[in-house]
Amino acid sequence: DQQVKQNSPSLSVQEGRISILNCDYTNSMFDYFLWYKKYPAEGPTFLISISSIKDKNEDGRFTVFLNKSAKHLSLHIVPSQPGDSAVYFCAASLYSGNTPLVFGKGTRLSVIA
Amino acid sequence: DVKVTQSSRYLVKRTGEKVFLECVQDMDHENMFWYRQDPGLGLRLIYFSYDVKMKEKGDIPEGYSVSREKKERFSLILESASTNQTSMYLCASRNRGGSYNEQFFGPGTRLTVL
Repeated sequence: DQQVKQNSPSLSVQEGRISILNCDYTNSMFDYFLWYKKYPAEGPTFLISISSIKDKNEDGRFTVFLNKSAKHLSLHIVPSQPGDSAVYFCAASLYSGNTPLVFGKGTRLSVIA
Repeated sequence: DVKVTQSSRYLVKRTGEKVFLECVQDMDHENMFWYRQDPGLGLRLIYFSYDVKMKEKGDIPEGYSVSREKKERFSLILESASTNQTSMYLCASRNRGGSYNEQFFGPGTRLTVL
């Protein structure tokens, strides 16, 4: 049973517009959420995170929103750039340093110039 | 600069061969992980280790084993490689101490089994 779901396998956006990537989770015990970005033939790199006590976290062009009641989070990229084209993974963490992050299957974002 | 390194970026092996994938981290992290990434399947956890000589099965441990003799090193072993183990293998490490810690990933090893 998938605890973290990214229902859109792919997304295509024009350069300069907003990209919105969505993620749903089922386990209400998750207390920290992360987004990773992955280019082909490279390892994922950390992008932005949010704790469950917040509903928004912003870092430059990237903003993550958390709706705990809906068990939903989203990543907004504004404005989108061609270099943002990558696979984005949503991940969630339980309050325990020994447990692995739980990842979604990823969304492939293509930003078209 | 924190770093997770993997012994090879690309590897080609034959069916039935024993394959070793090595991972080293320099952050003194307690936890280390092995994933494989396949198109449409995301990141699937194979094994993880939360301390030296400790290991836990992940979601897809069949056909794999691991070894953690030193804190900084975590090895993934394919006892008898098969073509369905052709994949991108990713190692990661994470500090213990609460959930507000990211996992750091290595660059990955693209393994092809012929």
